[in-house]
Amino acid sequence: QVQLQESGPGLVKPSETLSLTCTVSGGSITTSNSYWGWIRQPPGEGLEWIASIYYSGSTYYNPSLKSRITISVETSRSQFSLKMNSVTAADTAIYYCARGRGILGKLCFDYWGQGSLVTVS
Amino acid sequence: EIVLTQSPGTLSLSPGERATLSCRASQSISSNYLAWYHQKPGQAPRLLIFGASSRATGIPDRFSGSGSGTDFTLTISRLDPEDFAVYYCQQYGSSPSTFGQGTKLEIK
Repeated sequence: QVQLQESGPGLVKPSETLSLTCTVSGGSITTSNSYWGWIRQPPGEGLEWIASIYYSGSTYYNPSLKSRITISVETSRSQFSLKMNSVTAADTAIYYCARGRGILGKLCFDYWGQGSLVTVS
Repeated sequence: EIVLTQSPGTLSLSPGERATLSCRASQSISSNYLAWYHQKPGQAPRLLIFGASSRATGIPDRFSGSGSGTDFTLTISRLDPEDFAVYYCQQYGSSPSTFGQGTKLEIK
């Protein structure tokens, strides 16, 4: 069974860059139709899709965040990553990595990591 | 972007009862790309339904999804104690993908 695990700093200073990595195990990150994504959830609030990437490198971004984020994949390490610059307190959230299923970036998410709380302060 | 409105905000029911949750979209969702998740406290969301009506792997058949266009429904035929959680719908037919605000299903 596919497992995902987020890693990265739990505390980031305002105006700095948030960096998170997701390590995939129990399955190949390069399986055909394998998409990978980031979703966040401010404490006590709802879910927001951030970005997704296909294993070959095609990327899909939420327009509201696009100017500040970069998603990338490193297949040799079975990892994909998120960078978000110029963070503010509004970026404080639990960040989930997840496997996407679908086509051409139209994705729902069937396997999720446990989540990583990132506090901007 | 497509706004998803879920109702009710909170649903109080007893185990064994039937639950009906609604998700209404601000515009038509292409190809019925509508998913449902539930989330228990301290856990990640879990995919229940995709494509409006297809159950995800390992999801019991007491969960069913229906609807098309702008109106979608998740039905839980007989509530099990483990079903009490927050439920979210997600549309993934148009970018950006968006989620509803959630329905809390609580034990009466």
